[in-house]
Amino acid sequence: VLTQSPSASASLGASVKLTCTLSSGHARYSIAWHRQRPEKGPQYLLKVNGDGTHKKGDGVPERFSGSSSGAERHLTISSLQSEDEADYYCQTWDTGMVFGGGTRLSVL
Amino acid sequence: EVKKEESGGIVIQPGRSLTLPCANLGFKFGDFALTWVRQAPGKGLEWIAFRRSDNFGAITEYAASVRGRFSVVRDDSRNIAQLQMNDLKTEDTAIYYCITGPDYDVLTVTWGQGTLVTVRS
Repeated sequence: VLTQSPSASASLGASVKLTCTLSSGHARYSIAWHRQRPEKGPQYLLKVNGDGTHKKGDGVPERFSGSSSGAERHLTISSLQSEDEADYYCQTWDTGMVFGGGTRLSVL
Repeated sequence: EVKKEESGGIVIQPGRSLTLPCANLGFKFGDFALTWVRQAPGKGLEWIAFRRSDNFGAITEYAASVRGRFSVVRDDSRNIAQLQMNDLKTEDTAIYYCITGPDYDVLTVTWGQGTLVTVRS
């Protein structure tokens, strides 16, 4: 249902756009993005709707944003910091929760 | 035999049962859905169980990997939520997370602290 690239990288201070692609028949679904730093538990970041609107979790910095294009849901992180190096998972609901395989983001 | 490790993890033998409390309950959760997620060592996140509140019909769903062995135990009147795990297998070894979110928007969640469960002889 959800496809993510296994890895991504970007430079410190730059921006990066991570993508989660919904499978055919699910293109209108909303998804949530979660971040998991090394050796830590996951943290909810934001929810992205099919119309591109998003809803952030409490305390999530302004430099995190969500967007949508067709069956793709994006997480954009601007002004990358070393602490953003983590695994990023997307999640949706389809008669049960579904997670994408995760994208490991490296900050160079 | 169930052993608790200093790190807070639990070691248990295959075939045995274990109840995990949901430690993510700092509020009255009468209108919150519960989701259990696990993460095997070095692997990604795997959803395993979901239960809506009584106010939303107490709908329950389980992943195929645990259906028939695991069940969500919930008492909204006493703010109790647990994951009952029976007939544990070595492949159930993972960190288990209880996450909560409003029934009207189950994707906007709060993650609880995970518990490492190791199933081994």
